[in-house]
Amino acid sequence: QVQLQESGPGLVKPSETLSLTCTVSGGSISSYYWSWIRQPPGKGLEWIGYIYYSGRTIYNPSLKSRVSISADTSKNQFSLELNSVTPADTAAYYCACGTFSDWGSQWGQGTLVTVSS
Amino acid sequence: QSALTQPASVSGSPGQSITISCTGTNSDVGSYNLVSWYQQHPGKAPKLMIYEDSKRPSGISNRFSGSKSGNTASLTISGLQAEDEADYYCCSYAGSTTLWVFGGGTKLTVL
Repeated sequence: QVQLQESGPGLVKPSETLSLTCTVSGGSISSYYWSWIRQPPGKGLEWIGYIYYSGRTIYNPSLKSRVSISADTSKNQFSLELNSVTPADTAAYYCACGTFSDWGSQWGQGTLVTVSS
Repeated sequence: QSALTQPASVSGSPGQSITISCTGTNSDVGSYNLVSWYQQHPGKAPKLMIYEDSKRPSGISNRFSGSKSGNTASLTISGLQAEDEADYYCCSYAGSTTLWVFGGGTKLTVL
């Protein structure tokens, strides 16, 4: 079974870039859809985007101008970059994987990122 | 404001059945057989319970079932158990421009 683990800074300053990595074990990143989702404290889920086996990326239109997802097949990792962050970007960030219709089959445990000076 | 509308809370007693609704539009829920449901316990990652409107992933109890009528999808939990107390989120495909949208979540309380 695929396992996912997010890593990255827990604190980012306003206007800077949030960078997170998801390390995949038990499966190849060359297959499936690899997603990022976030959840502000006490609020609901928001799909950020995904990268899939062809290397193609699809993003939430509301974040598209600030987000980038990439993959490193040699390390079996995929990454999220969100630039020009504000306190509204404070959230638990999750990585997930699956096929197109069940892209959220497996999730990482999540990592809290706080945007504050 | 979330794209899909869910009740903020529902409750039921052990052994009972409850249904959580998820209302969208004919641009998302009503157009594709791609509604999924997630269960989230406090402090934990979401867990996929239903996908493609009514399919259960391997290992998910058959007490959980999904259905859809028009622009409204539903999650039914039968034989309620204490461990079912959690937040539940619906999610739907909304086309190649918008992709995936979530409901605001429903807090299930087992009395």
